[in-house]
Amino acid sequence: SQQGEEDPQALSIQEGENATMNCSYKTSINNLQWYRQNSGRGLVHLILIRSNEREKHSGRLRVTLDTSKKSSSLLITASRAADTASYFCATDGRTGGGADGLTFGKGTHLIIQP
Amino acid sequence: DAGVTQSPTHLIKTRGQQVTLRCSPKSGHDTVSWYQQALGQGPQFIFQYYEEEERQRGNFPDRFSGHQFPNYSSELNVNALLLGDSALYLCASSLVDEQFFGPGTRLTVL
Repeated sequence: SQQGEEDPQALSIQEGENATMNCSYKTSINNLQWYRQNSGRGLVHLILIRSNEREKHSGRLRVTLDTSKKSSSLLITASRAADTASYFCATDGRTGGGADGLTFGKGTHLIIQP
Repeated sequence: DAGVTQSPTHLIKTRGQQVTLRCSPKSGHDTVSWYQQALGQGPQFIFQYYEEEERQRGNFPDRFSGHQFPNYSSELNVNALLLGDSALYLCASSLVDEQFFGPGTRLTVL
């Protein structure tokens, strides 16, 4: 079963605009990770945010986490054509150390129009 | 530094056959996880290996089995293939929390 649900399912914006994607999940988490996938290839790790963090930045990416609402958002600023891809959030429910099996949503398909 | 590698890239099998997929983790990583991704869906967790033992398993039948070797590389075996096993199989390696994925193996079952 899939815990994370990304919203919207698809998003089309003009190059240079900002893109925001949301993720909701159901159970308590240890951390939440965002990934990008191009055309059915492997997933590229974008950012990890822990349950005790509220916001994290990496380059043009900004991720927020609200554990009280069980939701996260990914903001991509100044979008580029190369950002066209599917974006997934994945949750890790294990507490304590060590990796755990991730639970993914169905993803948001982002299209950047030149 | 080579990232996660997987082989083969593509594979075509017939129903009822068996398949073995291989994964080499990122240097320094000791944990390997396997995922199945059907077309248009997010990846689904199959199982995770650590110290050559299956540490956690998702909701997959016993037809799916795996192995981890002393050098941390891993294999995924699927027996009695079904049409529904057609998917992209992804391997991820990790040391602590962040999981890094390989390019995947596209399996087609005819």
